[in-house]
Amino acid sequence: AQTVTQSQPEMSVQEAETVTLSCTYDTSESDYYLFWYKQPPSRQMILVIRQEAYKQQNATENRFSVNFQKAAKSFSLKISDSQLGDAAMYFCAYRSTGDDMRFGAGTRLTVKP
Amino acid sequence: NAGVTQTPKFQVLKTGQSMTLQCAQDMNHNSMYWYRQDPGMGLRLIYYSASEGTTDKGEVPNGYNVSRLNKREFSLRLESAAPSQTSVYFCASSEVRSSYEQYFGPGTRLTVT
Repeated sequence: AQTVTQSQPEMSVQEAETVTLSCTYDTSESDYYLFWYKQPPSRQMILVIRQEAYKQQNATENRFSVNFQKAAKSFSLKISDSQLGDAAMYFCAYRSTGDDMRFGAGTRLTVKP
Repeated sequence: NAGVTQTPKFQVLKTGQSMTLQCAQDMNHNSMYWYRQDPGMGLRLIYYSASEGTTDKGEVPNGYNVSRLNKREFSLRLESAAPSQTSVYFCASSEVRSSYEQYFGPGTRLTVT
C-alpha cells in the first residue's frame, strides 16, 4: 500500500523568510499525482499546489513551489516570503490511478512576526 | 456554489448511540469520500463512492456504514458509537480522474463519551 511520510511534525519560520516542508512517499506506480493541502484553524482543507508525476518541471503557484524528486520519491513544499496567514497544518497527499488519496500525518507551520 | 456541505458541524454522542452525518456537493462530481482526522495521523479514508450506487471500503471502515443517496449526497452512519470514533470527519468530492484534487467540506467534530 502506498504510504506518505511527513517527518517534521512542527516547523517554524520568521515572517518574510523561506521555509521548506518535507514529504516522502512509497509507491510502485509510475503514474500518480501529488498534492499539498493547507488546513488553517478554520479546519477547511485548501489545495495549495499539485504535481503530476510525469512532468519533470516542478509546479509553482505564486509564493509556493515544490521540489519533486521522482527517483527519490520526495515531494517538498517551499514557501517563500512567508506571511502570517501561512500559519496552518500542511498535508502532503498522494493519488494514483485508483480512487483514494493517501495523506501524510501533517506538519504544523508557525509563522513568527 | 456552496461546494461541499456537511451537517452537523458539532455533535456529542453517548457510547452506543447512533447518528448519521450528512454530506452534499453541488459540483456534479462523480466521486465522494468520507475521512476521519485524528491528531498525528492525518486524514484516513473510511469509505468512498466512485459513482452513484457504488461504495467501497477505505482504510478504516469498521464501525461505519455509508449510503450514496444520489449523485449529490453521501451519508456516513455510526450504528453504535464508541469513544474510539471521537474524531473530526470530513466529506470530500472530486472528478473520477486522479489528476483532480478533492474538494473538502468544513468537517464535523464528533465526541463520543
